[in-house]
Amino acid sequence: GAGVSQSPSNKVTEKGKDVELRCDPISGHTALYWYRQSLGQGLEFLIYFQGNSAPDKSGLPSDRFSAERTGGSVSTLTIQRTQQEDSAVYLCASSRDRLRSGNTIYFGEGSWLTVV
Amino acid sequence: AQKITQTQPGMFVQEKEAVTLDCTYDTSDQSYGLFWYKQPSSGEMIFLIYQGSYDEQNATEGRYSLNFQKARKSANLVISASQLGDSAMYFCAMREPDSGGSNYKLTFGKGTLLTVNP
Repeated sequence: GAGVSQSPSNKVTEKGKDVELRCDPISGHTALYWYRQSLGQGLEFLIYFQGNSAPDKSGLPSDRFSAERTGGSVSTLTIQRTQQEDSAVYLCASSRDRLRSGNTIYFGEGSWLTVV
Repeated sequence: AQKITQTQPGMFVQEKEAVTLDCTYDTSDQSYGLFWYKQPSSGEMIFLIYQGSYDEQNATEGRYSLNFQKARKSANLVISASQLGDSAMYFCAMREPDSGGSNYKLTFGKGTLLTVNP
């Protein structure tokens, strides 16, 4: 498809289980982002990948969160030992390059995570 | 830290009328960018419009225009001729300035829920 693709679209998991969320960015986009949106809130930056550079992980809320990007394309966000406060929509986005040049960042439809 | 303020939790507008959604921002830098996104109930974030801090003219995209007042640090979104399909959450966002080395990060406001009435 032409847009950012995320899977699963919905995930219900038990507290303490691990989850993996996948993102397939727009073809040719070198920058990839993960954001989190909790109920009724704006988006919170989690992590940024740009080409082969070291990712900016400064937004990850705890060491239970990790992300990788293989081959400069698909990314996986992993949450270990999930907690109820991890329940949120996890949005992936990509852009052609850095935003400085005014490039637009395009979002996927999100993965809705519910921890019960 | 950058800050985006959207003071209107909810707005109502009649179909075919224009509506303005407010957004103010706080930054001491000169180079930055401002975005507006629409989020329908389906959850996707749809890019609407972008304004660079050095752009001399207000950005426009179809029925969307951005009323950029740099001295006031405001970047209000104007939707002309509202349609029922415009009902959604609207988020204002600012990318961090070039000087900080993190100019890929977007800081979002808390959003405004727009309801278009028939």
